[in-house]
Amino acid sequence: NAGVTQTPKFRILKIGQSMTLQCAQDMNHNYMYWYRQDPGMGLKLIYYSVGAGITDKGEVPNGYNVSRSTTEDFPLRLELAAPSQTSVYFCASSLVLGRWNTEAFFGQGTRLTVV
Amino acid sequence: GDSVTQMEGPVTLSEEAFLTINCTYTATGYPSLFWYVQYPGEGLQLLLKATKADDKGSNKGFEATYRKETTSFHLEKGSVQVSDSAVYFCALIGGQGGKLIFGQGTELSVKP
Repeated sequence: NAGVTQTPKFRILKIGQSMTLQCAQDMNHNYMYWYRQDPGMGLKLIYYSVGAGITDKGEVPNGYNVSRSTTEDFPLRLELAAPSQTSVYFCASSLVLGRWNTEAFFGQGTRLTVV
Repeated sequence: GDSVTQMEGPVTLSEEAFLTINCTYTATGYPSLFWYVQYPGEGLQLLLKATKADDKGSNKGFEATYRKETTSFHLEKGSVQVSDSAVYFCALIGGQGGKLIFGQGTELSVKP
């Protein structure tokens, strides 16, 4: 049982390049989330999904796109990378059923540097 | 909308001191409440949780009680160790459609 798997762990991008951060979970969770964490700061929600085919914006969605074609996968796409997107990115998932829910399980993070 | 507010850090304590990190929340419905811990250079780990009013979550000597009347979930530990140095995040799920919402984090530094 792998939990939440993020790839890659590290990446350096040049300004203007694009890339996709991968996130997969094998717990059949319906909710999935992408956060970014800047140095010394808290977590900011970029996008989240309540199930396959449904996504919604969080606090800081500009410069990012997501899709959720399957329950397992929730990739985050960066278009035209900018230095302001240098951060650590965390993916998480949880099971929410009405008023009942599990805790969120986190991936190990992707450290992205844009130069 | 739903929100979580934590006391500001950094918090610096001597080993064996008593720890309290305050957390209050605003939410509709019946959120579940969590404390996560992030050690330097690592990801987030669940420390403890509580899913309904008056529940007490506990783990590794840490405790927090879900207080609906004061909308609080304060983290406490009776005797901290140097190894407890980390950033602690209060969070909730539920209320507003199951979205996971974090407080801003509180950095704890424990000195020998």
